[in-house]
Amino acid sequence: KNEVEQSPQNLTAQEGEFITINCSYSVGISALHWLQQHPGGGIVSLFMLSSGKKKHGRLIATINIQEKHSSLHITASHPRDSAVYICAVSLQGAQKLVFGQGTRLTINP
Amino acid sequence: DTGVSQDPRHKITKRGQNVTFRCDPISEHNRLYWYRQTLGQGPEFLTYFQNEAQLEKSRLLSDRFSAERPKGSFSTLEIQRTEQGDSAMYLCASSLDPRETQYFGPGTRLLVL
Repeated sequence: KNEVEQSPQNLTAQEGEFITINCSYSVGISALHWLQQHPGGGIVSLFMLSSGKKKHGRLIATINIQEKHSSLHITASHPRDSAVYICAVSLQGAQKLVFGQGTRLTINP
Repeated sequence: DTGVSQDPRHKITKRGQNVTFRCDPISEHNRLYWYRQTLGQGPEFLTYFQNEAQLEKSRLLSDRFSAERPKGSFSTLEIQRTEQGDSAMYLCASSLDPRETQYFGPGTRLLVL
């Protein structure tokens, strides 16, 4: 079992829909990251959080430390949101990131 | 500063050849990370540097792989005697502090024929 699991692996929705991507982890962490990867490979950090909730524009990230679970929400989704969304965790006492396998999101107009 | 850069962006090589990739981090960042990503998967950690010191290496990093960061600025990742299984995207990231966000480069896509 992977230390970081994401669901769903693939998600297709219509423009305007509310999107939720889930991430569960099984290890002790110091922080959780949500990343966005567009075709061609470039990765952009969206959020880094260790508790509670963060919001940036139409994106919201939440984390429940006790349940070892995080969600990424996209409100009023748009075709330009189409990308792979990756959850990653910073392990306690370690420098590296451990990544989930990613969720491929496609928003159709 | 334009962010993390990597060179080359694409590399096609024949099995058995050696390849070297370069990463230039954001200038004031003292931490530099290498990751590998195969198709359809999330990235996997390879190694990381704090300044010029290589502090952690993954078991994925076989004897054919070596990474350096000689002056604590840019880093190189060399793969000797490449194999088809080395085909992947090699990503570099840097950060100012381990508690801070890692900034990723565009990656080097390697194809071993």
